[in-house]
Amino acid sequence: DVKVTQSSRYLVKRTGEKVFLECVQDMDHENMFWYRQDPGLGLRLIYFSYDVKMKEKGDIPEGYSVSREKKERFSLILESASTNQTSMYLCASSNFDSYGYTFGSGTRLTVV
Amino acid sequence: ELKVEQNPLFLSMQEGKNYTIYCNYSTTSDRLYWYRQDPGKSLESLFVLLSNGAVKQEGRLMASLDTKARLSTLHITAAVHDLSATYFCAVGFTGTASKLTFGTGTRLQVTL
Repeated sequence: DVKVTQSSRYLVKRTGEKVFLECVQDMDHENMFWYRQDPGLGLRLIYFSYDVKMKEKGDIPEGYSVSREKKERFSLILESASTNQTSMYLCASSNFDSYGYTFGSGTRLTVV
Repeated sequence: ELKVEQNPLFLSMQEGKNYTIYCNYSTTSDRLYWYRQDPGKSLESLFVLLSNGAVKQEGRLMASLDTKARLSTLHITAAVHDLSATYFCAVGFTGTASKLTFGTGTRLQVTL
């Protein structure tokens, strides 16, 4: 069964900390994505990557960065966590075909 | 900028009733997706619609796509409690790293 694995289901971090969210997929997918999900706002794209070491900004990249050193792994980095980054973070992957995304189970991040 | 709007945002319906969720999008697209999200869980793929007039059915759910009207519908027939979830539509384009833009979601509550 194909999988997208996010390393943590729940995280609590302090304001100002550097936070790493990890995502690994085993489907040899080209594309990987990070979204955040907030009540009433749906899913908003933070960053995406269509190849190793390639990255593109999504709709809300401010305060975030990403790293893709290997095809299967896409990391989201909060350089200095703030309370307004408290959210559910969803990782997804896809190929250059029509079948859409496979999502990870999500990481619920709380910044205190 | 692509906008994807769903309505209603919240739907409470009795078991056995029929209802339709609407998904409108602002720019011509060649692919539309429906996802389901259970509380506290991630998103799972329901339907992939790739052409005008496409219709897909799975159990009590049927999705259709009208690309000329830029409209997709998710029809629920004889609702049952197990269908209670949040439903998202998402719109994508060929050749943009398969990036999807999501609607805000419709929270469906089926009451006994």
